[in-house]
Amino acid sequence: AQTVTQSQPEMSVQEAETVTLSCTYDTSESNYYLFWYKQPPSRQMILVIRQEAYKQQNATENRFSVNFQKAAKSFSLKISDSQLGDTAMYFCASPLESGTYKYIFGTGTRLKVLA
Amino acid sequence: DVKVTQSSRYLVKRTGEKVFLECVQDMDHENMFWYRQDPGLGLRLIYFSYDVKMKEKGDIPEGYSVSREKKERFSLILESASTNQTSMYLCATTPGPKNSPLHFGNGTRLTVT
Repeated sequence: AQTVTQSQPEMSVQEAETVTLSCTYDTSESNYYLFWYKQPPSRQMILVIRQEAYKQQNATENRFSVNFQKAAKSFSLKISDSQLGDTAMYFCASPLESGTYKYIFGTGTRLKVLA
Repeated sequence: DVKVTQSSRYLVKRTGEKVFLECVQDMDHENMFWYRQDPGLGLRLIYFSYDVKMKEKGDIPEGYSVSREKKERFSLILESASTNQTSMYLCATTPGPKNSPLHFGNGTRLTVT
């Protein structure tokens, strides 16, 4: 079965420091996409960053970057220069099943940025 | 920007009531989804639809049904609400293909008493 696992239920980081959120997945597919979503206390879930499995280069969006290790099926999110506005739930997700848009989500990591 | 609108932000219903959760998107997207979100369980897929009047069960369809009569509207129906359906419900949409992210509504917090 296709699965997405986030093993860190909660994390905290000091403002301006760097934090890494972990995500592992299991799939038999060869090409797929991986996503990180952020859900702030206001509840609107928004896309943070995406990675295509065929691309060896790690995706980067401003202070957010990923460490994608395809062989290890690992897709971690690094947040640099953490800001108070980064406080949120973070979900790793992917439409892992071939031929469907059935996105599978991890259980989430609650990140708190401390002033 | 894609707009996904869920009709209610908070809803309180009694056990046994029939409940309708409405979701409307303004971008002509083919694919629409209903998830429920519970602490420690993440988002679990209830139903999804890839075209008008086309639907597929997700991982936890029991106790739910859906309706998609028009492309822009995807409704989740709780035929007879129960307390274990108290949860946050999120609607999402995506145009496809698979590198397209999901666009979410604001969520509906449903409490069944």
